[in-house]
Formats: sequence, C-alpha cells, structure tokens
Amino acid sequence: QLQLHESGSRLVKPSLTLSLTCAVSGRSVSSGSYSWSWIRQPPGKGLEWIGYIYHTGTTSYNPSLRSRVTISIDRSKNQFSLELSSVTAADTAVYYCARGRGGSYPYYFDHWGQGTLVTVSS
Amino acid sequence: EIVLTQSPDTLSLSPGERATLSCRASQIVTSSHLAWYQQKPGQAPRLLMYGASIRATDIPDRFSGSGSGTDFTLTISRLEPEDFAVYYCQQYGTSPQLTFGGGTKVEIK
Repeated sequence: QLQLHESGSRLVKPSLTLSLTCAVSGRSVSSGSYSWSWIRQPPGKGLEWIGYIYHTGTTSYNPSLRSRVTISIDRSKNQFSLELSSVTAADTAVYYCARGRGGSYPYYFDHWGQGTLVTVSS
Repeated sequence: EIVLTQSPDTLSLSPGERATLSCRASQIVTSSHLAWYQQKPGQAPRLLMYGASIRATDIPDRFSGSGSGTDFTLTISRLEPEDFAVYYCQQYGTSPQLTFGGGTKVEIK
C-alpha cells in the first residue's frame, strides 16, 4: 500500500529556507507512471500547487513560486524533497506531498501525505 | 493561468438532499485533466473524480461528475453524514499550469 510521509523543519525564521522531505513507501519513485508533487494550504485557505518532479529529474514549478523553489528526488532513499527560499509569513501553511497520475504530468493526485504544518516566524 | 471559480462558496443542505457543485474555468480545460477532491477538517484532500467524470477507487456511486469546456459539475445524489466537507476542483493545463478552485463547503443545514 502506497504511503507518503512528510518530514522536516516545522518552524522557519523569515528570510531562511524551508526544507521538507517526502518519504515514499509501497511504490518506487523511479516508476515512469507517476510524478511527485508538493502542494500547500495556508491555514483556513485553499490549495496551491508548488511544483512536481518526474523520476528523470525533470521539474516544473508554479510560476508564482518558481524563483524560490527547488524540488529534488533521491531514488536510492525513495524520497523527494522541497526547498523554498527566502520565506515570509505568507509561506506559513500545511505542506502536502502527493503522487501525480498521468505519466510524466500530474493530471490529478491519487495519494497524499498527511501534511505537515510549517510556520514562518522569528 | 487558468482560474477555476467554484460556486457556491457554501452549500447548506440536509442529509438525503442532492448537492450540485459548480466549477467554472477562465479558459477551456481538457476534460481528462479535471479532477475533484473532498477534504475534511484536519485531513489531506481525497481524490473523488478524475477525467471530469471517472470515480476514483472506492468512491460511492452517489458521487458523479460532468461537464466539458469551461463548465464542470460535481453532484452528490443523496448526502450522507460523511459527505459534509469542503470540495475542490483542480485542472492541469499547458505551460504547465496546475490550479485549484477556491473550494465549496457543504455544511449541514
């Protein structure tokens, strides 16, 4: 059974870099059938897609965050990671990792991690 | 960027009633790239529909999706107590662009 689990820093100071990892179990991140995404949700608000990575290392990011986002993949550990630089209070959110279906593109997300709340505060 | 506008913001209904949720896109969306999710408080979103009208695994048949072009609908034929939640539509387009609607909350009347 596929499971995704987010981990990383829960409290980040303004201007620093947020770092999260999504550990995947039950399916290889190297499978060509899926992509792997990060999605966030500010408290009480809607969902925002951050970006995705394919097993080849190909990435795509939300244009509004592109200058600050890096998503990487570690096939040996079966996980993928998110780095978001120069954070502000507006980056406070629950961050989810999710599996995308549609081959190399995330047409939709069929499995999600439980989410982790990251707070940006000094 | 394709903007998805969901309406209404809140739907107040009683168990057993029919719920009709709308998702309108600012540009044409490929039907195969339109999905719906259900989210309950404190939980991750759960995939309900993909390809606009295909139910995801283990989703009961009281949920149905329809639409094409810029107008899509999620219908819950008879609300069960566990269906009261927030529902989001999502599209994937070229650029690439992936966006979510603002959500519709279905609450108990």
